Amino acid sequence: GAVVSQHPSRVICKSGTSVKIECRSLDFQATTMFWYRQFPKQSLMLMATSNEGSKATYEQGVEKDKFLINHASLTLSTLTVTSAHPEDSSFYICSARSPGPENQPQHFGDGTRLSIL
Amino acid sequence: SQKIEQNSEALNIQEGKTATLTCNYTNYSPAYLQWYRQDPGRGPVFLLLIRENEKEKRKERLKVTFDTTLKQSLFHITASQPADSATYLCALSYSGGGADGLTFGKGTHLIIQP
Repeated sequence: GAVVSQHPSRVICKSGTSVKIECRSLDFQATTMFWYRQFPKQSLMLMATSNEGSKATYEQGVEKDKFLINHASLTLSTLTVTSAHPEDSSFYICSARSPGPENQPQHFGDGTRLSIL
Repeated sequence: SQKIEQNSEALNIQEGKTATLTCNYTNYSPAYLQWYRQDPGRGPVFLLLIRENEKEKRKERLKVTFDTTLKQSLFHITASQPADSATYLCALSYSGGGADGLTFGKGTHLIIQP
């Protein structure tokens, strides 16, 4: 089945640091990947859609200069949280849609727990 | 905006019984609806997908129904086991081509008691 790998699984760093999170589709090519954020006891919220070879599409209220997304290849998308602050602490999860006809499910990575001190 | 409601309280079910989880949405119906399982500190794991023109889908002990008139999906786990204990998420997609991200409910925490 489709496997999505995310790295690192956990980051603890000081306020003001920039943090990069990688999302890889291991056994399939993904022209589109998605980045979500989940706060405790809340639903996953879509942050942005990462498109291979073009600019990401951000959801309303998500700062594109704060959350930089790069999708340079068909198997890798990165999310960089720039100058992170404590309020950016959250669980960040990426996903990629299975290849094939329409209405394929999305497969998720195991998430990155980001803690900003 | 679209709202998705799942049983917010934890659902306690005795082992061997059928667990039924509910997902209700407002406004317009999605192109398709997915159910995921999420364990603590992990990403969601895909379980079942049902399209707007389908009434029911099954996979082993799992069954999903989709009623666009009621704007509701039901998720059933038959012969439940303690290993089924997890949070179950309902997610909607409005894009038939899958180009859009998913809109998730908060999930229902299911506890199967031995």
